[in-house]
Formats: sequence, structure tokens, C-alpha cells
Amino acid sequence: TQLLEQSPQFLSIQEGENLTVYCNSSSVFSSLQWYRQEPGEGPVLLVTVVTGGEVKKLKRLTFQFGDARKDSSLHITAAQPGDTGLYLCAGASRSSGGSNYKLTFGKGTLLTVNP
Amino acid sequence: DSGVTQTPKHLITATGQRVTLRCSPRSGDLSVYWYQQSLDQGLQFLIQYYNGEERAKGNILERFSAQQFPDLHSELNLSSLELGDSALYFCASSVEVAVTYNEQFFGPGTRLTVL
Repeated sequence: TQLLEQSPQFLSIQEGENLTVYCNSSSVFSSLQWYRQEPGEGPVLLVTVVTGGEVKKLKRLTFQFGDARKDSSLHITAAQPGDTGLYLCAGASRSSGGSNYKLTFGKGTLLTVNP
Repeated sequence: DSGVTQTPKHLITATGQRVTLRCSPRSGDLSVYWYQQSLDQGLQFLIQYYNGEERAKGNILERFSAQQFPDLHSELNLSSLELGDSALYFCASSVEVAVTYNEQFFGPGTRLTVL
């Protein structure tokens, strides 16, 4: 069974601070996605990283995929209250049987940015 | 707005009852996924359909079943409901399944409360 461990589980910071959250596994994934989920809503896809060592930037958010494609990190610069939410990572891998890919989700990091 | 619609938004029912949750995927998406999200288990994959056929099963109980219709909408049927079935149920859709990055787009969810 593939597992994705996210840390920290909870993070509360002040507006303007920087932060990094982590997503780790002992398994190799074909790609890794980051989602943000706000209370009462569905997860919203932020980014997909595919290549080992890949770095993608989305405004103040920087995503990195580990060289071995087993882990990833999300760094937020100068956090704002609008960044508050549950950040989920999800690894894509082939299902048993061949042509299908499945997503395995971590339990998420709940980020609160206080004004 | 992801383009994925789910109804109803909220559902309150009693133990032992049966309910049906409905999902319409994004226009053009052939694949539909169902997930259950609870505080302690996180986002758990239940089942996937592609163009009307079941493609993958996750942690779906035997009391639960799903189907995808010719117009590509999907229904998740939950029967003999127990208190522990109370959770958020999400539907997601994607264009296809046999791609490395398998980006999924989530609906707003159905909050099920079993009393």
C-alpha cells in the first residue's frame, strides 16, 4: 500500500511569514499533484510536477518534486490570509492491471494565516 | 468553479437508510471518481468509472455501489447506512485515465450526516 505522509499536520502563522510543508513517501510516483481545499468545498488543483527535481512556481508558491520522485515540498513566501486552507498532496501511480492511473492522497496540512 | 456538479449539497438521514448521490462530470471528461473524506481518514478513493465501465476500486464497502450512465453522469448508492458513514463525499472527473499526470477536477461535495 502506497502512503503519502504530510507534515506538519497543522500550521498557524502570521501574515508575511514564509513556510514550507512536506509530502513524503517510500514509493515512487509518476507525478505528484498539490491541491488546496477550503472548508465545505472540494479540493482545487494547484500544480502537477512530473519530472524528478522539477520546480514549479505559482506566484508566491514554489513546488518541488524530489529527485527520486518520492517526495515533494510546497514553499509559500510572504503568506497571506487568503492562503488559509488544507493543502493536500496526491501521487499518481499505475493501478494493478495496467493502463489505469490512480491518485493516492496524503491527509493534508491545515494552514492558518492570521492577519 | 471546476465544472463538476454534485447533488445534493447536504443530506441528513437515519441509520439503516439508503441514499443516492449524483455527480455530473466536466464537459468532455469520460472518467469519474468517487472519494470519501472524513477527519480521521482523509480523502479516501472509493471507485472509478471510465465511459460507463468500472475501472478501479479502492476502499469501497460492499454496502456501497456506483454506476456511470450513458450521458456520463454517475451515481453513488449508499445503503444500510451507519453512523460511521457520515462524511463528505466528493466526485472528481478527468479527461482520461492512461496519462501520467491524471489531473482530476473535484466537485463541491455532498455532506452526508447519518443520525
